[in-house]
Amino acid sequence: GAGVSQSPSNKVTEKGKDVELRCDPISGHTALYWYRQSLGQGLEFLIYFQGNSAPDKSGLPSDRFSAERTGGSVSTLTIQRTQQEDSAVYLCASSSGTGADNEQFFGPGTRLTVL
Amino acid sequence: DQQVKQNSPSLSVQEGRISILNCDYTNSMFDYFLWYKKYPAEGPTFLISISSIKDKNEDGRFTVFLNKSAKHLSLHIVPSQPGDSAVYFCAASGGNTPLVFGKGTRLSVIA
Repeated sequence: GAGVSQSPSNKVTEKGKDVELRCDPISGHTALYWYRQSLGQGLEFLIYFQGNSAPDKSGLPSDRFSAERTGGSVSTLTIQRTQQEDSAVYLCASSSGTGADNEQFFGPGTRLTVL
Repeated sequence: DQQVKQNSPSLSVQEGRISILNCDYTNSMFDYFLWYKKYPAEGPTFLISISSIKDKNEDGRFTVFLNKSAKHLSLHIVPSQPGDSAVYFCAASGGNTPLVFGKGTRLSVIA
């Protein structure tokens, strides 16, 4: 596809369950970012991957959150033992490089609801 | 501790008039600023940016002004159109640090 895609678009889960969110970046983009947007909040940076470098995990809110990027392309964000405060829209973005002047292209997001 | 603040959660403007969206920041290390636009059920899309070496950047109907001494930037849209109705996010970065976003301002352009 031409843009960033994310799946699922919506996910409802029960507290304590694990969830996996998927992101397919734009082909050829070396940088991939995960953000979340909680209700009434701005986008909160979670993690980013750049090529083969170690990811910047500085935004992950707890050790229940992890992400991987296989083969420099698809990325999966995993949330273990979900809590109600994890409910948010999780957005993925990709860009041709890091640096703020490299435009980030966002996917439509996954809306996660933890009951 | 919010480093990027958009103090107006919403703004209504008549079609054809100017829309002014404001953003304040606290981190003096920020040197690059961006505005993103978001429609419902879509991801944000890049709108316009400005480097700290400039105080103005213009692209068609959109102009961003940067006042470094006041740590303030604003986005002007003129003339405003109904299709501009969206949530606008201000974002900032220092060097290669991740973007820091504000909470957004919902703009409604009334026909």
